[in-house]
Amino acid sequence: QVQLVESGGGVVQPGGSLRLSCAASGFTFSTYAMHWVRQAPGKGLEWVAIVWYDGRNTDYADSVKGRFTISRDNSQNMVYLQMSSLRADDTAIYYCARDPPEQWLVLDIWGQGTQVAVSS
Amino acid sequence: QSALTQPPSASGSPGQSVTISCTGTSRDVGNYNHISWYQQHPGKAPQVIIYEVSRRPSGVSDRFSGSKSGDTASLTVSGLQADDEADYYCSSYAGGNKLVFGGGTKLTVL
Repeated sequence: QVQLVESGGGVVQPGGSLRLSCAASGFTFSTYAMHWVRQAPGKGLEWVAIVWYDGRNTDYADSVKGRFTISRDNSQNMVYLQMSSLRADDTAIYYCARDPPEQWLVLDIWGQGTQVAVSS
Repeated sequence: QSALTQPPSASGSPGQSVTISCTGTSRDVGNYNHISWYQQHPGKAPQVIIYEVSRRPSGVSDRFSGSKSGDTASLTVSGLQADDEADYYCSSYAGGNKLVFGGGTKLTVL
């Protein structure tokens, strides 16, 4: 079945780095743009980043630009989020989500999320 | 990009209808029809229930409907059911390949 499974979350000190992974299965991964969206504890959704289907283009929320890097490996059906210079306000559940080619910015399948806590 | 504005809470009795607003600006909601709504139950991932202002994905109940007027999009839930109790988020294209979400509305079924 169509599935996204995130991993790589954990506890990291302020200023540290972490790489999140998202494994996709059950669909033609290379035709979908992919997103990362986060949700701080008790808060709403915040869009983080997008990577185009072919990995050639990316975009970021202003809050993470210059600190986070989104990438993908279509041969492995994986999408990544490399996070550096982490701050306390980066603490959140991080979801990956797919964006179908026939629409635009419609996140139709989400993973279960991976928890990131930035704390000393 | 600033978050879209949603009321923090909304409520209704079973069988009633409730409408949730999502207010943006001419740079996002007012300028694009790439507006979606997501339902999120506690401890679960969000699920899209409306996209492109008013279209429903396959399998989503027709009790959910969407519309837009100017800089404000709206989600209407008709025939409220207990399982509709959840958080609802709107999203809009904000230009520059960026997406912006609303702050979320907690819907309570009385």
